[in-house]
Amino acid sequence: GQNIDQPTEMTATEGAIVQINCTYQTSGFNGLFWYQQHAGEAPTFLSYNVLDGLEEKGRFSSFLSRSKGYSYLLLKELQMKDSASYLCASMDSNYQLIWGAGTKLIIKP
Amino acid sequence: TAGITQAPTSQILAAGRSMTLRCTQDMRHNAMYWYRQDLGLGLRLIHYSNTAGTTGKGEVPDGYSVSRANTDDFPLTLASAVPSQTSVYFCASSSSTVSDTQYFGPGTRLTVL
Repeated sequence: GQNIDQPTEMTATEGAIVQINCTYQTSGFNGLFWYQQHAGEAPTFLSYNVLDGLEEKGRFSSFLSRSKGYSYLLLKELQMKDSASYLCASMDSNYQLIWGAGTKLIIKP
Repeated sequence: TAGITQAPTSQILAAGRSMTLRCTQDMRHNAMYWYRQDLGLGLRLIHYSNTAGTTGKGEVPDGYSVSRANTDDFPLTLASAVPSQTSVYFCASSSSTVSDTQYFGPGTRLTVL
């Protein structure tokens, strides 16, 4: 079956760094997406990885290891506005996204 | 640019009634999707459309139908609502289905009593 695993909740301190992990098992693989979703709002795109390695985009970076079926999202210099859920999604062989349940990130001052 | 709009924002519906959730995009995207999001679960695909005139079933299509008469609109219909269809429904679109970023509408919160 297809499965995406990510922690349910994480807590971090303002100004710190946090890493949110995601493991995936999908029928085929056409890339790994990360989305941010604030409470009561729509998911918004953060990053896309299809090749192994680290993609950096400002304070956010995303890493992929296809051989391990593993990705992480790294958030640096945390701000209170980063309090949100972070959704990991793998695109399968049919180009459909399989979604994790999301990681709720709580930022404390 | 409005992007994707959904209507209504929220709705309370009696079980057994029918309802159509509306979705319109102005980005001229070929592909459109309907998801439902329930607490503790990932987004689940209900139906999708790769291009105008075609539709396909996702992971949880039962009880829902869609149509894609043109590029911009992708309505989702519940023919006879049941309480298990209480959820937040998101419409999304992408330029194409091949590894393209999906952009989401603001969602419709539906409660079926």
